[in-house]
Amino acid sequence: KNQVEQSPQSLIILEGKNCTLQCNYTVSPFSNLRWYKQDTGRGPVSLTIMTFSENTKSNGRYTATLDADTKQSSLHITASQLSDSASYICVVTWVTGGGNKLTFGTGTQLKVEL
Amino acid sequence: NAGVTQTPKFRVLKTGQSMTLLCAQDMNHEYMYWYRQDPGMGLRLIHYSVGEGTTAKGEVPDGYNVSRLKKQNFLLGLESAAPSQTSVYFCASNRGSYNEQFFGPGTRLTVL
Repeated sequence: KNQVEQSPQSLIILEGKNCTLQCNYTVSPFSNLRWYKQDTGRGPVSLTIMTFSENTKSNGRYTATLDADTKQSSLHITASQLSDSASYICVVTWVTGGGNKLTFGTGTQLKVEL
Repeated sequence: NAGVTQTPKFRVLKTGQSMTLLCAQDMNHEYMYWYRQDPGMGLRLIHYSVGEGTTAKGEVPDGYNVSRLKKQNFLLGLESAAPSQTSVYFCASNRGSYNEQFFGPGTRLTVL
């Protein structure tokens, strides 16, 4: 069964600190992996996308890594800000005979405090 | 550009009532999707459409119907609402199944 698991479920950090969120997947055959940020009461917004051949991708203070061999990805947030408080969702796209399908992780709820 | 918009933002229904959620996008996207988001679960696909006049079932289609009469609009209908349909519903769209999905702000539905 295609699954995406994220850890930790929730995380509290102080403003200015760094943190790393994890995503493990069993999806196959793999097409790409995206990290989304979802603010409370809003829809998810894409942060990064990585394909099989990409190991790392940055978007400002967000850096995503991908190890396609071990089927693991991480999202590193540098110098956190209060506005980083959100749910971060890992989404894996996989290929089927009927086209691409998506499997969503349950998200990591990040809270950044003063 | 407004992107993806959803109406209404909130709704409370009684069991057995019906309603329609409207999704509109102004990005000329071919693909549109309806998801539900429940606590402790990832987004789950209800129905989707790969173009005007087409619809297809997703992961959790039971109890829902959809229509895509115009390219920019995707409607989600609940014919007889049940408490199990209490959820937050998100609409999304993209140019193709490989491309980034753009999400609407969501509709919070409560069925009593």
